[in-house]
Amino acid sequence: DGGITQSPKYLFRKEGQNVTLSCEQNLNHDAMYWYRQDPGQGLRLIYYSQIVNDFQKGDIAEGYSVSREKKESFPLTVTSAQKNPTAFYLCASSIAGQGLLFFGEGSRLTVL
Amino acid sequence: KQEVTQIPAALSVPEGENLVLNCSFTDSAIYNLQWFRQDPGKGLTSLLLIQSSQREQTSGRLNASLDKSSGRSTLYIAASQPGDSATYLCAVRVNTGNQFYFGTGTSLTVIP
Repeated sequence: DGGITQSPKYLFRKEGQNVTLSCEQNLNHDAMYWYRQDPGQGLRLIYYSQIVNDFQKGDIAEGYSVSREKKESFPLTVTSAQKNPTAFYLCASSIAGQGLLFFGEGSRLTVL
Repeated sequence: KQEVTQIPAALSVPEGENLVLNCSFTDSAIYNLQWFRQDPGKGLTSLLLIQSSQREQTSGRLNASLDKSSGRSTLYIAASQPGDSATYLCAVRVNTGNQFYFGTGTSLTVIP
């Protein structure tokens, strides 16, 4: 089945540690996105990528980093510089130039 | 910057009732608008996509309308069921770039 796989589903991190969230898609989509979701707030864009080896900052990129070495993979690293990383993280993809957005099941990060 | 608003934030209705969810956006220069459903702790599932040239889209008991000039979209759910209980989000894609802007969602509870 085609889709987007995020892992891990739950992740606990100690303060000062970097963690990496995985996002893999087999939809052959060009564009991929990372969003952060907090209670009572809409989805906020962290980073997005329209082609391999290229990505752009979203509205809340500080404290996060990404890479896009392969079309199907777009991992997100939450660094120790992110002051309030506890949140629900969602990865999405779409065909570049088209509007239909597909989401993974999300990863919940908790800082202890 | 595009701002997307969804009112009400929460809605509770008895089973069988028809209902309307609202989505407003500030900039009418949109490429399309998409409605999503999100169950607790899960990713977003696409329900309907309306292109900027369209007025409405239908899927089963769901009907979404779009009025670009007034910056509004509505999601009509007919004969609501308890299984419809979820959070419903709308997202607009703007004409420039490849970004999507999300509302904060309406949390729907259908009471048996």
